[in-house]
Amino acid sequence: SQKIEQNSEALNIQEGKTATLTCNYTNYSPAYLQWYRQDPGRGPVFLLLIRENEKEKRKERLKVTFDTTLKQSLFHITASQPADSATYLCALSNTGNQFYFGTGTSLTVIP
Amino acid sequence: GAVVSQHPSRVICKSGTSVKIECRSLDFQATTMFWYRQFPKKSLMLMATSNEGSKATYEQGVEKDKFLINHASLTLSTLTVTSAHPEDSSFYICSANPSDRGRTGELFFGEGSRLTVL
Repeated sequence: SQKIEQNSEALNIQEGKTATLTCNYTNYSPAYLQWYRQDPGRGPVFLLLIRENEKEKRKERLKVTFDTTLKQSLFHITASQPADSATYLCALSNTGNQFYFGTGTSLTVIP
Repeated sequence: GAVVSQHPSRVICKSGTSVKIECRSLDFQATTMFWYRQFPKKSLMLMATSNEGSKATYEQGVEKDKFLINHASLTLSTLTVTSAHPEDSSFYICSANPSDRGRTGELFFGEGSRLTVL
């Protein structure tokens, strides 16, 4: 069965630095990959979608890459702020219908 | 943006009772909605795909008789946890993809329902 792993459970970073989160997958060939933000006790909020034929996507301070050879996506937050502290989840789908989520990374931006 | 509403946000029930959770898309129609379960500090686990007007599709290992799903209209899906036990205590979250955005659109999530079974 497919396995979706995010590099670390928790990541601490100094304000102003770039946070880089990793999503690796095995036994799967997703055509679509999404990143979500989740705050404690709340539902996830969509951030970015990238398709298998796209190498990179940007939205304001966010950048996502999708490497189907390495089976990996990188999620970058530049000029990080304390308000970026949250859990970030990657989600994959090969149909664009059902999405399966990674293990999540809890990011803390230290002022 | 599209809004998905879940109700109740919190529910406490006794073991053996059934609990119904509603998921509504407030400003869009969704032929498909998705139910997830999340344990503390864990990721979201897809339980089932709710299909308007037809039977839900359950993921492997999810008991369909335990977690009854009904998608009665284009804006409402319900999840009923039948004969709940303490191990069913969890955070249940629904999501929906607006029908007119195709299958690659973002998922809009409800705020979740925290179920505690005593």
